[in-house]
Amino acid sequence: SQTIHQWPATLVQPVGSPLSLECTVEGTSNPNLYWYRQAAGRGLQLLFYSVGIGQISSEVPQNLSASRPQDRQFILSSKKLLLSDSGFYLCACFPGLAGRNEQFFGPGTRLTVL
Amino acid sequence: AQSVTQPDIHITVSEGASLELRCNYSYGATPYLFWYVQSPGQGLQLLLKYFSGDTLVQGIKGFEAEFKRSQSSFNLRKPSVHWSDAAEYFCAVAEGAGKSTFGDGTTLTVKP
Repeated sequence: SQTIHQWPATLVQPVGSPLSLECTVEGTSNPNLYWYRQAAGRGLQLLFYSVGIGQISSEVPQNLSASRPQDRQFILSSKKLLLSDSGFYLCACFPGLAGRNEQFFGPGTRLTVL
Repeated sequence: AQSVTQPDIHITVSEGASLELRCNYSYGATPYLFWYVQSPGQGLQLLLKYFSGDTLVQGIKGFEAEFKRSQSSFNLRKPSVHWSDAAEYFCAVAEGAGKSTFGDGTTLTVKP
């Protein structure tokens, strides 16, 4: 079965600083990968998804970017953080197994921008 | 575009009482529907899912949900709530390639 790792678990960054969050997946090949953000008291908002290496789709315009340098690695970045970037970031994997259409989620990264 | 509405932001029930969390969705085709649970500071754990077939689906931790196409609903139920069920619950609908749209969540508080 697949396992999703995210790091760091928590992060406190000043406004204007850069950001790099990493997600790696084990136990599956060529998965679809996703970045979601959860603002306080809200549901999950899909930020980016990727169907393969170097293929990134952005769902909402924002201050963030994503990259997929390897099949099972997905990175969320920013050159200059905003206060509004604070939130809980979840990486998810869709293995694409026949007959199943469910995502698996990592443990998340809590980002606080001060 | 698909959407999910969870009308109840916060629900409080007594331990041992029954529970129903509401979920309404909007989706043009046959939906893939999910319920997830999130404990504070944690990721999401899948409780149950509906793809097709029997409209009453059983999940983990004693939860079940019923898909009602005519009402565009997928309500989550549990006959007897335990204190450990206190958490936030999310309903989601998925389209192809696994992209999911989530509701805003319902926070469940369990009174002793």
